[in-house]
Amino acid sequence: GAGVSQTPSNKVTEKGKYVELRCDPISGHTALYWYRQSLGQGPEFLIYFQGTGAADDSGLPNDRFFAVRPEGSVSTLKIQRTERGDSAVYLCASSLGANEKLFFGSGTQLSVL
Amino acid sequence: GENVEQHPSTLSVQEGDSAVIKCTYSDSASNYFPWYKQELGKGPQLIIDIRSNVGEKKDQRIAVTLNKTAKHFSLHITETQPEDSAVYFCAASLGNYQLIWGAGTKLIIKP
Repeated sequence: GAGVSQTPSNKVTEKGKYVELRCDPISGHTALYWYRQSLGQGPEFLIYFQGTGAADDSGLPNDRFFAVRPEGSVSTLKIQRTERGDSAVYLCASSLGANEKLFFGSGTQLSVL
Repeated sequence: GENVEQHPSTLSVQEGDSAVIKCTYSDSASNYFPWYKQELGKGPQLIIDIRSNVGEKKDQRIAVTLNKTAKHFSLHITETQPEDSAVYFCAASLGNYQLIWGAGTKLIIKP
């Protein structure tokens, strides 16, 4: 596709459930990023992939959060035992390389009830 | 670590007037400063960026200025139009993949 695609656009779940959020980056972009954005704030870095490997996962808040990118393209952010505080917009971005311009998807609005 | 402060949090200007948003950063080693525009329900979109070897950059109605000594940079939008209404974010980077973001400015263009 022409841009970064994220699915679903909205996800409502119950506290304690498991969720998966998908990101399809721009074709050819080797770098992929996950950010989390709370209402009224700037994006907060979660994890960065270069190719298939997580080059930096220092932004993941705790071990309930995990992300994969097995073939170096599509990435999935996985959240176990969701908590109400996980409610936010989860943004994915991709770029040609590590120091290149970021292109963002429209995000997934996660609501944990 | 790096910290970016952004002001004002809300800015309301008359259509056709200019808007200025200011950011300061703490790490003098930061060398890349992008500005993003975010519309409701969408992800941030890069509108202009500047690197530390340049003092000013302009793209049509949008310009960014950088003062490395004072560690601040500003976004200038001239001849504002209704479609400029959005939330604007500044960010700073040490030249790697890690962007540190400001808290955002909600720009309102009054008709």
